Amino acid sequence: EPEVTQTPSHQVTQMGQEVILRCVPISNHLYFYWYRQILGQKVEFLVSFYNNEISEKSEIFDDQFSVERPDGSNFTLKIRSTKLEDSAMYFCASSEALKRGHEQFFGPGTRLTVL
Amino acid sequence: AQTVTQSQPEMSVQEAETVTLSCTYDTSESDYYLFWYKQPPSRQMILVIRQEAYKQQNATENRFSVNFQKAAKSFSLKISDSQLGDAAMYFCAYRSANIWGTSYGKLTFGQGTILTVHP
Repeated sequence: EPEVTQTPSHQVTQMGQEVILRCVPISNHLYFYWYRQILGQKVEFLVSFYNNEISEKSEIFDDQFSVERPDGSNFTLKIRSTKLEDSAMYFCASSEALKRGHEQFFGPGTRLTVL
Repeated sequence: AQTVTQSQPEMSVQEAETVTLSCTYDTSESDYYLFWYKQPPSRQMILVIRQEAYKQQNATENRFSVNFQKAAKSFSLKISDSQLGDAAMYFCAYRSANIWGTSYGKLTFGQGTILTVHP
């Protein structure tokens, strides 16, 4: 069964460094999402992406964040200059469509630790 | 803005028994979807069950069923005949069905409930 995959599973970085989190959505899916979950808190929406552009972004998704679909298969989240408060689990999701009944499929997540 | 609240951080159940996880939400919209997602330890979230707000009938998927009370904005998940494999974090989530709105695609999650199943 097709799955969303994410790499790496765990990323440790120093504050101020750039990180790129990678996701491979399910191949025929057209809508892509990033969510994050700070330890002990809710899963929060970051951004949605369709047709090579951002559809919606939350207030969390500031200028330090960017997303890209560089090669038609990968979907990346870049954090330009990481802060301690960016430490969280980051989940990628994809869906085939936005029509009724189309669910979002989630990846296993990348745990980002900023030191 | 929509909010989703799960007031039970942890629940436990004996194997083969029934457990109900609670979820309430707040929205001004009339058409939306509600979901329960299951996240086993170190695994991805998977969809357990979905309810469309315009449908009065409660959704059922095998041992999983919901009690959807639209007026009360309540959406609880009942797990019957609990199995050891049901142990996981369960998230309730909301999604707008307004295709012209700005929040059409995104999911809004509750805090999650950790379910422990005792043999």
